[in-house]
Amino acid sequence: AQSVTQPDIHITVSEGASLELRCNYSYGATPYLFWYVQSPGQGLQLLLKYFSGDTLVQGIKGFEAEFKRSQSSFNLRKPSVHWSDAAEYFCAVGNQGGKLIFGQGTELSVKP
Amino acid sequence: IAGITQAPTSQILAAGRRMTLRCTQDMRHNAMYWYRQDLGLGLRLIHYSNTAGTTGKGEVPDGYSVSRANTDDFPLTLASAVPSQTSVYFCASSDRPSSTDTQYFGPGTRLTVL
Repeated sequence: AQSVTQPDIHITVSEGASLELRCNYSYGATPYLFWYVQSPGQGLQLLLKYFSGDTLVQGIKGFEAEFKRSQSSFNLRKPSVHWSDAAEYFCAVGNQGGKLIFGQGTELSVKP
Repeated sequence: IAGITQAPTSQILAAGRRMTLRCTQDMRHNAMYWYRQDLGLGLRLIHYSNTAGTTGKGEVPDGYSVSRANTDDFPLTLASAVPSQTSVYFCASSDRPSSTDTQYFGPGTRLTVL
């Protein structure tokens, strides 16, 4: 069965520190992978997506993610976190027909 | 350009009552989706529509119904609300029902069923 796991429910980092949010997926075919961000009280916004090609993808707001097929992972990274990055982050895999399967989400807190 | 609008923003509802959550998009997208978001579970697909006039069941369809009379509107109805339907509901749309197309999300409706 297709699934997405985000092992970390909550992460706290200091402003200016680097960030890595973990995402593992289970999918039989070539996965279409997404990272979305949800600011408090808002809907979800797409950060980046991977379909094929270069396994390191760049997104908005300085985020990047790396697809590692051997580890079934698609971790999200940012070299220097800003206070405005505090939000909930969702990893998702797209299955046939455009359906998204989401992970449980990781809440990011940023310490000043 | 508004994108996707949802109404109401929030609602408190007595169990057993009927409720329709509204969703309208102005992007002329073919595909639309309804998700519910629950703590620790992420977002789960309730129903979807690949194009006007067609609908399909997602992962958690029980207790919900949808219709797609035109391209822009995709209402979600709870025929007889139960407390387990307390959740935040998100409507989304994409140009095509394809995994390569980005889904755009509305701001959500927070529903509490007492």
